[in-house]
Amino acid sequence: ETGVTQTPRHLVMGMTNKKSLKCEQHLGHNAMYWYKQSAKKPLELMFVYSLEERVENNSVPSRFSPECPNSSHLFLHLHTLQPEDSALYLCASSQGGGGRGTQYFGPGTRLTVL
Amino acid sequence: AQTVTQSQPEMSVQEAETVTLSCTYDTSENNYYLFWYKQPPSRQMILVIRQEAYKQQNATENRFSVNFQKAAKSFSLKISDSQLGDTAMYFCAFMNIPGTASKLTFGTGTRLQVTL
Repeated sequence: ETGVTQTPRHLVMGMTNKKSLKCEQHLGHNAMYWYKQSAKKPLELMFVYSLEERVENNSVPSRFSPECPNSSHLFLHLHTLQPEDSALYLCASSQGGGGRGTQYFGPGTRLTVL
Repeated sequence: AQTVTQSQPEMSVQEAETVTLSCTYDTSENNYYLFWYKQPPSRQMILVIRQEAYKQQNATENRFSVNFQKAAKSFSLKISDSQLGDTAMYFCAFMNIPGTASKLTFGTGTRLQVTL
């Protein structure tokens, strides 16, 4: 379970706070992803970065701001969140697309917004 | 748009028995990949098995195998000799043949409980 790491594992924040989630992959991959996992709903793809460029933004509210400084690191900056944003946030990475595109997931950050 | 349907929210199986989890999907693509992921309670999501749509042979991985029916757009997972450690949420996922990054569409999951 050390291929993709995420910190913190748990986060409680108020609606006026600013916090960041961090993801690091140790697999030499060149694509990284943020997903939101809510109870009884399919995983929702939020952002996709390929070669450090954002290639997908699935209509995510601007209170979520991703950053990918290099191919190994991915951040999700949070500000003025709402209680409905409480969820498990999963990071994943893959080696590009095609047959190599299998995604490997981190353990997630359990976010609670009060 | 692709959709993935898992019609069994919860299932239970006794240890050492065999269980099959169902998954159907909808796509107009001809080339794609299908996956089963496992998410144990409070633990990391891990890949169980992968199937390429252009391969007719069903994928197998130790006690895990799939029944891939392309025409029916069905992709079920069979777990043989179930073990307590197989208790988890199981997600079926679809991926079209991408460019530089892969995009996964997930089902809602099946919670599997393995009992003594």
